[in-house]
Amino acid sequence: DQQVKQNSPSLSVQEGRISILNCDYTNSMFDYFLWYKKYPAEGPTFLISISSIKDKNEDGRFTVFLNKSAKHLSLHIVPSQPGDSAVYFCAEENFGNEKLTFGTGTRLTIIP
Amino acid sequence: EAQVTQNPRYLITVTGKKLTVTCSQNMNHEYMSWYRQDPGLGLRQIYYSMNVEVTDKGDVPEGYKVSRKEKRNFPLILESPSPNQTSLYFCASSTTDSWGYTFGSGTRLTVV
Repeated sequence: DQQVKQNSPSLSVQEGRISILNCDYTNSMFDYFLWYKKYPAEGPTFLISISSIKDKNEDGRFTVFLNKSAKHLSLHIVPSQPGDSAVYFCAEENFGNEKLTFGTGTRLTIIP
Repeated sequence: EAQVTQNPRYLITVTGKKLTVTCSQNMNHEYMSWYRQDPGLGLRQIYYSMNVEVTDKGDVPEGYKVSRKEKRNFPLILESPSPNQTSLYFCASSTTDSWGYTFGSGTRLTVV
């Protein structure tokens, strides 16, 4: 059973608008959630993370929100740019054993 | 440049012919891991290694072997490849002092 779920396989957003990518999880015993971005023919690259003790983390155009009661995580990108077109994976990590459990990914397309 | 290097990038092989995908990192990371990416399934962990001579199974280890004789290298071995191992493979490394993983660029394997 998938512990980390990304229910939207794809998302299209107009350039300049907000992109919202969602992630649901089942395991409450985690330390961090991370978002990775992946371009074709490249490995995933780390984008932003959030600790289990926080409900928001912001880095430039990227903000991650954590709703522990709903077991829901979201990534907001504002404003969206064409270079943001990629596949986005959320992942949970337990600090110490280093394992990342990934979601299935959401393909974001920014329309110029 | 800090990086994880995988070879080869592309490989087509026949069922049953043993192969090795190499992975090397130059960041002195303790932790290394192999993932496979399949459509609709995201990234799933195959094997991981917490340090030299310490390896363990991930979520989908069947049909794979690994070794960690040196800190920088973590080869993935398919003793008798089968078509269901056709996939995109990623090697990754990390250290307990920093976030997430650094991924290689991937190896696209086709078993016919």
